[in-house]
Parts: sequence; C-alpha cells; structure tokens
Amino acid sequence: EAQVTQNPRYLITVTGKKLTVTCSQNMNHEYMSWYRQDPGLGLRQIYYSMNVEVTDKGDVPEGYKVSRKEKRNFPLILESPSPNQTSLYFCASSLSGIVRTGVTGELFFGEGSRLTVL
Amino acid sequence: AQSVTQPDIHITVSEGASLELRCNYSYGATPYLFWYVQSPGQGLQLLLKYFSGDTLVQGIKGFEAEFKRSQSSFNLRKPSVHWSDAAEYFCAVDSPSGSARQLTFGSGTQLTVLP
Repeated sequence: EAQVTQNPRYLITVTGKKLTVTCSQNMNHEYMSWYRQDPGLGLRQIYYSMNVEVTDKGDVPEGYKVSRKEKRNFPLILESPSPNQTSLYFCASSLSGIVRTGVTGELFFGEGSRLTVL
Repeated sequence: AQSVTQPDIHITVSEGASLELRCNYSYGATPYLFWYVQSPGQGLQLLLKYFSGDTLVQGIKGFEAEFKRSQSSFNLRKPSVHWSDAAEYFCAVDSPSGSARQLTFGSGTQLTVLP
C-alpha cells in the first residue's frame, strides 16, 4: 500500500531533550516536506526537500533540522525542543516538486505526529 | 505573494443537508487551486483540484468545487452531507512557480455533522 509513515504518532517530552520524528514514503517520491499545524494558522511549511541531499528552509524553520540521505526517508530533528514547538506535525511527499505537473504534483500526507513539549 | 482565506472556522450542518465551504484567494495570475480533507486522526487527503478549463470540478466522495475568477473564490460544495464527512477542510493555492514548496494553505474549516 502506498503510504507516508510517521513515527511516533504521539510524544510528550521535556524542554531541551533532543528528539527525532521519522518520515518514510514507499512511493519513490522525489519531493518531501514537513509541516506543522496549529489552530487558526493552518499548515505552515518547516523544511522541504526536492530530492536526495537537497533540502531547504520553509516558512518556519527555526528550531528544526532535517536530512535527506535516502530518497524514502526525511526525518525531522528537534535538537533542543521548546514549548512553542508543541504542535501537530505532518510529513508529505509527491512524485514531483512541481504542483502544475498534474497528478505528479499531488501531495500525500502522513497521519501526523502530535508533539507536546513540557 | 499568494494567500488563501477560509472565512468560516467552524460549520455545523445536519446529515442530508447541503454544504458549501468558502475559499477566497489572492493571486496575481491564474491559480491552481486545491481542496484537502483531514479526517480525525488522519493526514490530509486531496479532494479535488482546479488547473484550467471547466470551472466546475468534481472530486472524490461526491464533492465539487467551482472556480469563480471574478470573485476570487473556489468554494467547495456537496449536495447531501453524510456523517462521515465530518472533518477539517483546507483550501490551498499554488504559486506562480508551480512549486509544491510554495503551496499555501488556508487556516481550515472544521465541519460538524449532526445526526
């Protein structure tokens, strides 16, 4: 089954304790991205990757790191989490990073990771 | 820069009633527009998209949306709502570059369906 898998789905942690949220897709997609979802703010992009070894900042990258060593994986790293990073995080992927290519531009989302930082 | 506004934070309808969710966009050219649905505990799923051509587009689960350039709107409709349609709905618009990196999402509309 084609899917984007995120882990963990739920996590409660404390300020300053490094954590990694993993994201893996099995669709051979080139483009991957991380979003955070906060009430009233919709989805805001944290980082994105157009292909392996190519990553760039989105709209709210502060406090986050990513890596793209393999095509299928795109982990999100919080080196020193703070309470303002409490949020619902989504990983997404698409075959192409160009939306206007039609079906190849459709984003596929993981089920989300709810993170609470105390 | 492009932007998307979903004026209704929360809408409640009875099962079987019709539904319209509003989406307004700000864009300097012909936009590509999308509606995504987020069911409870799930990720977002594409409902439908408008690229060009016929301004009335059909999507999955019986949804449709109409692009109105004069009103800068892309409202989502369904003739008869089912309880399983309870979810959060997001409108999105792409950028002139067409890059997924610059896809802009609205703040979402939460739909509650009463039995």
